[in-house]
Amino acid sequence: GENVEQHPSTLSVQEGDSAVIKCTYSDSASNYFPWYKQELGKGPQLIIDIRSNVGEKKDQRIAVTLNKTAKHFSLHITETQPEDSAVYFCAARTSGTYKYIFGTGTRLKVLA
Amino acid sequence: GAVVSQHPSWVICKSGTSVKIECRSLDFQATTMFWYRQFPKQSLMLMATSNEGSKATYEQGVEKDKFLINHASLTLSTLTVTSAHPEDSSFYICSGLKAGNTGELFFGEGSRLTVL
Repeated sequence: GENVEQHPSTLSVQEGDSAVIKCTYSDSASNYFPWYKQELGKGPQLIIDIRSNVGEKKDQRIAVTLNKTAKHFSLHITETQPEDSAVYFCAARTSGTYKYIFGTGTRLKVLA
Repeated sequence: GAVVSQHPSWVICKSGTSVKIECRSLDFQATTMFWYRQFPKQSLMLMATSNEGSKATYEQGVEKDKFLINHASLTLSTLTVTSAHPEDSSFYICSGLKAGNTGELFFGEGSRLTVL
């Protein structure tokens, strides 16, 4: 079945450094790739997304890249701040369905 | 973004009682809502897909008589955990699918259920 792998499971960076989280999906028909940030005790919050017709999207310190050939997509956070500390989930949705497949999550710690 | 409100945010109940969790899309219509369960330090586990006006579709291994889902309107879905037991203690999260071409998914704040 469809699968989304996410790496790393934990990531610690110094404040001001960049953080990169990578996901790989299995279904080549996937066409929408959102990223969610989940803070402790809260629901996931959509932070950025990308569709299969573009290769990169940026929103201030956050960017997402997509390589359809390799079926990879990545989240890039630059100039990290302590408030970026959270669990990040990637997801993939297949064209023609509304079913989202989530990655296993990455726990990001930004050290002050 | 769109707002999904989930209530209650936390609930403690005695074993054998039933608990209802509400999920409302506040500023958009959600023809489809999803219910997830999340264990500590784990990913989201899809329990069921709820479509307005029809029966929910449950994932394999999820008991439909245990977890009753009702999606009575385009802005409200409810999850009722019936005859709750300590093993049902978990973080339950709903999400609403924004209608239209985008099909973006927005999550509620989650409900932490503790069954004593």
